Amino acid sequence: AQTVTQSQPEMSVQEAETVTLSCTYDTSENNYYLFWYKQPPSRQMILVIRQEAYKQQNATENRFSVNFQKAAKSFSLKISDSQLGDTAMYFCAFMKNNDMRFGAGTRLTVKP
Amino acid sequence: GAGVSQTPSNKVTEKGKYVELRCDPISGHTALYWYRQSLGQGPEFLIYFQGTGAADDSGLPNDRFFAVRPEGSVSTLKIQRTERGDSAMYLCASSLDLDTEAFFGQGTRLTVV
Repeated sequence: AQTVTQSQPEMSVQEAETVTLSCTYDTSENNYYLFWYKQPPSRQMILVIRQEAYKQQNATENRFSVNFQKAAKSFSLKISDSQLGDTAMYFCAFMKNNDMRFGAGTRLTVKP
Repeated sequence: GAGVSQTPSNKVTEKGKYVELRCDPISGHTALYWYRQSLGQGPEFLIYFQGTGAADDSGLPNDRFFAVRPEGSVSTLKIQRTERGDSAMYLCASSLDLDTEAFFGQGTRLTVV
């Protein structure tokens, strides 16, 4: 099975500033999908952003963007103009043929 | 339905008892996943279904755990002879098709006392 590593258990950022969360993965596959999910305290997991491995262009969703480095097997998430509502656990996920595996997560706290 | 529904939202059971956790996926979603999440940890894969069949059950920790999806829609995760170590949040997710976004339910928090 594929493995996903998030090396930052906890991070914090000041409101309105930018933060980058790291994710690396291990796979021998060429085509696959990568996701960042957000899990606010006591609330359900929701999708933040998605990247197809065959696309060179980095995905962007409003204040959220990724830096996808396929050769390095790296998939970091950048949050710009951080808001208090961004406080949550963030999980990186790898998917191939509906087999989806998650990293251990990064707890992000946005400070006012 | 509008989203993935999991019932019950909370379940407290005594050690050694049998429990069933239910997941209603989004209508039309062919793939269904079960994960287990301990406090402060990432979701741990248990099993996923493509239609009625278990495409991969390699994450089930032992033979006390079993899951079914008899009609390709609702799924039930069954745990026999529960142990205190089974206490966790059990998450269900579904996706429309191969390698598309997975939508998660609110989870069932299982506590074995």
